[in-house]
Amino acid sequence: GAGVSQSPSNKVTEKGKDVELRCDPISGHTALYWYRQSLGQGLEFLIYFQGNSAPDKSGLPSDRFSAERTGGSVSTLTIQRTQQEDSAVYLCASSLVVGGPDEQYFGPGTRLTVT
Amino acid sequence: GENVEQHPSTLSVQEGDSAVIKCTYSDSASNYFPWYKQELGKGPQLIIDIRSNVGEKKDQRIAVTLNKTAKHFSLHITETQPEDSAVYFCASYRDDKIIFGKGTRLHILP
Repeated sequence: GAGVSQSPSNKVTEKGKDVELRCDPISGHTALYWYRQSLGQGLEFLIYFQGNSAPDKSGLPSDRFSAERTGGSVSTLTIQRTQQEDSAVYLCASSLVVGGPDEQYFGPGTRLTVT
Repeated sequence: GENVEQHPSTLSVQEGDSAVIKCTYSDSASNYFPWYKQELGKGPQLIIDIRSNVGEKKDQRIAVTLNKTAKHFSLHITETQPEDSAVYFCASYRDDKIIFGKGTRLHILP
């Protein structure tokens, strides 16, 4: 079946512009996670959704970052007034449930470059 | 909060030899420890996991061991092959939060 998809795969934007990154999770997965991976670094947790609500927003680096999920499916990560330090690969993952150990299925990521 | 340390950051082994990657965690209530493999240009993919009630798990050439007392767990890859070259992440899971290590870049030398 279809896995997690993300779009765009690559995004180049000018400093100060807003960007929207999209994640389509696996159908039926209630949990959705966003991570940031800087060059050569590990996975930095940003936010997760249980259904359409986000119980834990502690990982968002600043108030320029926001995310929403609608219909328990598609999620959008928005970065306002982008800065060069926002350049990274943004990964989305989904899992069947939240609240118990469960495999996370990752998308291929969106590579964001802020010039 | 939970902290996961992963070592080494880079590892080079001769093809056919074994590779070992080690992780430590701080939260004794963590109960699930997955390992992910990330190939270039792709998202991480689960390769093996272990739960806190088990000390060792094996799947073909890959094995994971868990020492709850010492709060560390390790990934063992035997008879390494070129396709094992990738970045490997350990993770520790408690309740609904998962914390990843910083990753190990594994190079398999011909």
